[in-house]
Amino acid sequence: SQTIHQWPATLVQPVGSPLSLECTVEGTSNPNLYWYRQAAGRGLQLLFYSVGIGQISSEVPQNLSASRPQDRQFILSSKKLLLSDSGFYLCAWSRTGKSSYNEQFFGPGTRLTVL
Amino acid sequence: QKEVEQDPGPLSVPEGAIVSLNCTYSNSAFQYFMWYRQYSRKGPELLMYTYSSGNKEDGRFTAQVDKSSKYISLFIRDSQPSDSATYLCAMIASNTGKLIFGQGTTLQVKP
Repeated sequence: SQTIHQWPATLVQPVGSPLSLECTVEGTSNPNLYWYRQAAGRGLQLLFYSVGIGQISSEVPQNLSASRPQDRQFILSSKKLLLSDSGFYLCAWSRTGKSSYNEQFFGPGTRLTVL
Repeated sequence: QKEVEQDPGPLSVPEGAIVSLNCTYSNSAFQYFMWYRQYSRKGPELLMYTYSSGNKEDGRFTAQVDKSSKYISLFIRDSQPSDSATYLCAMIASNTGKLIFGQGTTLQVKP
């Protein structure tokens, strides 16, 4: 069976500090990978998605970047955090191929607070 | 206007009640529909997935899609306190392949 891991689970960082969140998927090959942010009381906002190693698409301009160094590893980064980067960050995966028709499965999330 | 509209609630019901959760959408390209359940401080969990108009049943859960009205529903029978969570509708447009989420409805089932 497939599982998805995220760490850390919780993070408190000062403004201006760097960020690195990691997501790994087990039990599947060549998945599509996604990073979402969920602000309190709001829906999920897609930040980045990747259909393969080194292939990253950005959905919204922002202070964050993403990388996919390995097939089942997805990293979300920032060089300097802003207060507005606080939120609940979710990684998700879907089966490869026709991503239009594939449901997404989510990790447990990372709660980031920027002070 | 948002592509997907979902009443955020909160919705409070007594244990055993039938719950109806709804979403409307404006884009006729949406062809694939999902319901996710999200417990507090957890990632969303896929509950139901359907791509055709009509009903799909799984245990106490029934997903209903009406493409002509651009309206989807999730029914929960014999609701339990463990059903207390936020329920997110989501849908995929066949022309873009993007998954669009509703805002989520917070449900509380009181014992």
